[in-house]
Amino acid sequence: DGGITQSPKYLFRKEGQNVTLSCEQNLNHDAMYWYRQDPGQGLRLIYYSQIVNDFQKGDIAEGYSVSREKKESFPLTVTSAQKNPTAFYLCASSSYTDSGANVLTFGAGSRLTVL
Amino acid sequence: AQKVTQAQTEISVVEKEDVTLDCVYETRDTTYYLFWYKQPPSGELVFLIRRNSFDEQNEISGRYSWNFQKSTSSFNFTITASQVVDSAVYFCALSGYGGSQGNLIFGKGTKLSVKP
Repeated sequence: DGGITQSPKYLFRKEGQNVTLSCEQNLNHDAMYWYRQDPGQGLRLIYYSQIVNDFQKGDIAEGYSVSREKKESFPLTVTSAQKNPTAFYLCASSSYTDSGANVLTFGAGSRLTVL
Repeated sequence: AQKVTQAQTEISVVEKEDVTLDCVYETRDTTYYLFWYKQPPSGELVFLIRRNSFDEQNEISGRYSWNFQKSTSSFNFTITASQVVDSAVYFCALSGYGGSQGNLIFGKGTKLSVKP
């Protein structure tokens, strides 16, 4: 079945450590996205990528980094510079269009807790 | 600036009741898209509907219906005869035409609890 796989589902990190969240899709989608979800805050865009080897910052990119070396993969690194990294992270993908009509397919999320 | 407001933080109903989730949006774009997503306890958001700004027809899909009114900048979602499986967080989202793709502006969500 086509879909998005995020791993790990749960992750604990000590302060000062970098962690990388994995996101893989087999939907042949061009575009991929990372969102952060905090309780009662909705979803906020961290980074997105429309094509391989290219990505753009979203609204809250500070303290995060991404790469897009393959169409199927879009890993997110939460660096030690991110001051409040404890959150639920959602990866999504969509077919690319030049309108805003993209329907996003989401993964099941990764919950990061900083100890 | 674009903004989506879901004023209802939590709603609790008894099974078989009808329930309406409110969504009010702000945008200066003349062309835009509105979405509803469902987030069950498993965490994965599921797409429910997309509506473009030129199509104000209401839509019905089974027990779900959507009422889009540009005059009041609202895109409300009604569940008829609610069921326990409808319990989830529901997000309304807005996207402008072109520009940064995937930059959906999400509301803060409404948590719906349907009790048997």
